[in-house]
Amino acid sequence: YELTQPPSVSVSPGQTARITCSGHALPQQYAYWYQQKTGQAPVLVIYKDTQRPSGIPERFSASTSGTTATLTISGVQAEDEANYFCQSTDRSHIPYVFGPGTKVTVL
Amino acid sequence: VQLEQSGAEVKKPGESLKISCKGLGYRFSDHWLGWMRQRPGGGLEWMGIIYPGDSDTRYSPSFQGQVIMSVDKSINTAYLQWSSLKASDTALYYCARLYTDLFGDAFETWGQGTVVTVSS
Repeated sequence: YELTQPPSVSVSPGQTARITCSGHALPQQYAYWYQQKTGQAPVLVIYKDTQRPSGIPERFSASTSGTTATLTISGVQAEDEANYFCQSTDRSHIPYVFGPGTKVTVL
Repeated sequence: VQLEQSGAEVKKPGESLKISCKGLGYRFSDHWLGWMRQRPGGGLEWMGIIYPGDSDTRYSPSFQGQVIMSVDKSINTAYLQWSSLKASDTALYYCARLYTDLFGDAFETWGQGTVVTVSS
């Protein structure tokens, strides 16, 4: 099972960044999103499609539509520059599948 | 809640290695722990999960037979080991906790990672 993400997204400070994740099982399975800054471990920013863990800023939100999940960062700040990975499953051989990651660059 | 991983390792091909992940601040036996590999400049690959309560393990097909996961719940520590390292095992390895009741299949707490370098 594969999840597809764009390699990169560029956005100016204060604008909105949208990162997509496509997979055929996403209509039936949850999507999860992680932020990984350079030299740091991943941090969970969205779980169960749309839920934000405590401590994650409100500017991070997510949605799903059909086979695509979208992570939205509203009012992007310089500190949001990072790689963003989606995760899901199709409940077959590999229950935890990660997307290839999207590098968000804040211009 | 923290996961504290062992330090960086430099090994030669064919050598064995065991790295560790210690759980702090929660009931270690009650939550599955996963291991992930991240090659330089690459994405995350799920290797497997282990349940410290009874050592139940599930391996990714890609890593089955290549590594062994184990746990010593008396000291709240999980391990990932190789019997014969290859250069292709050079990577950053993370452990991470699953808290399925709240977060579903999300790895909600991560260790800081252990860099493994295999070079002759």
